[in-house]
Amino acid sequence: GAVVSQHPSWVICKSGTSVKIECRSLDFQATTMFWYRQFPKQSLMLMATSNEGSKATYEQGVEKDKFLINHASLTLSTLTVTSAHPEDSSFYICSAKPLPHYGYTFGSGTRLTVV
Amino acid sequence: KQEVTQIPAALSVPEGENLVLNCSFTDSAIYNLQWFTQDPGKGLTSLLLIQSSQREQTSGRLNASLDKSSGRSTLYIAASQPGDSATYLCAVRRSNDYKLSFGAGTTVTVRA
Repeated sequence: GAVVSQHPSWVICKSGTSVKIECRSLDFQATTMFWYRQFPKQSLMLMATSNEGSKATYEQGVEKDKFLINHASLTLSTLTVTSAHPEDSSFYICSAKPLPHYGYTFGSGTRLTVV
Repeated sequence: KQEVTQIPAALSVPEGENLVLNCSFTDSAIYNLQWFTQDPGKGLTSLLLIQSSQREQTSGRLNASLDKSSGRSTLYIAASQPGDSATYLCAVRRSNDYKLSFGAGTTVTVRA
């Protein structure tokens, strides 16, 4: 139980295009999901908190217009990297908190390469 | 701001040896602490979750301790196997919100 599915697992896009990453909770409802970014050999950095039915909360230094987050249902959050540039190339991971007093479950991640 | 540190950054041991991984955090006002593994280019797999009221948690060959007052957690892995090779991440959830703060991880290699 408590599975989070993330798609795609990898994507290559041209500079200036937009890319959408999906994060789904398969067997539970997630009113809150989280989006992280991870650079090579570094730890996960929280980008934003996605709230179902309301605006996302972004961490300091994260561009809201660059990283659009939509959480339209209790099982789906999407991250859209708009007008992607090579510096946006990274590993993006989503997570959700299934139930009170339980730990967090993470998706399998998306490797984004902008060329 | 919660700072999480993991030492050592890398560790290589022969198969069968016990592993000791350390995690320290600066703010003792935590809700819980979670240990994960991560394979290269993959997502995170949860190993153990310790609530702030607990001192340790065990699962099979894994044992994690928590000393909140000193800001430390230790993950013990008994009789290591090559399949234990991965990066181990420690994550701390603060008492006043849902956010996790991660350490940079310890990359473990178990040699056959």
